[in-house]
Amino acid sequence: EPEVTQTPSHQVTQMGQEVILRCVPISNHLYFYWYRQILGQKVEFLVSFYNNEISEKSEIFDDQFSVERPDGSNFTLKIRSTKLEDSAMYFCASRKSGGDRLNTEAFFGQGTRLTVV
Amino acid sequence: AQSVAQPEDQVNVAEGNPLTVKCTYSVSGNPYLFWYVQYPNRGLQFLLKYITGDNLVKGSYGFEAEFNKSQTSFHLKKPSALVSDSALYFCAVRALNNAGNMLTFGGGTRLMVKP
Repeated sequence: EPEVTQTPSHQVTQMGQEVILRCVPISNHLYFYWYRQILGQKVEFLVSFYNNEISEKSEIFDDQFSVERPDGSNFTLKIRSTKLEDSAMYFCASRKSGGDRLNTEAFFGQGTRLTVV
Repeated sequence: AQSVAQPEDQVNVAEGNPLTVKCTYSVSGNPYLFWYVQYPNRGLQFLLKYITGDNLVKGSYGFEAEFNKSQTSFHLKKPSALVSDSALYFCAVRALNNAGNMLTFGGGTRLMVKP
């Protein structure tokens, strides 16, 4: 069964450093997302990406964040200068296009646990 | 703005008994509703969805959920719980007019099924 894969599973970085979280969405999917889950809190939307551009982003997704689909298979999230409060589990998700563009479910990867020290 | 509430942080159930995990939502327009399950150190796994049609939807592992428009609820149910159902359950909503197609999640409910 196809699945969304994320690497690394755990990333430890020093405050102020840049990190890139990597995701390989399911191959025939067209919509891509990043969500995060701070320990003990709810899953929060960061950004959605479709047709090689950001379609929506949350208030969390400020200038320190960027996304890219560099080669048609990978989907990356970059945090330019990490802060302690960026420590969280980051989930990548993808969704195929349905006849009704909203009715298909998103499939999530296993997440990357980012720890900023 | 859309929102989801899961009023119970934890639900405890004995194996073999029926379970219910509650979810209420708030959206503008028609909602698309989803349940996901998260096992320890794992990602979010899709369980079931309500898009339109029959208010009772069936999903994976014997779970089902009932959409109630008047009560804006989408409670998750299972007739007979298993110990292996113990996990964190998230309800999520996507609005019809949501340009970015994002999901808004509830805070999660931890289901504990005891032998």
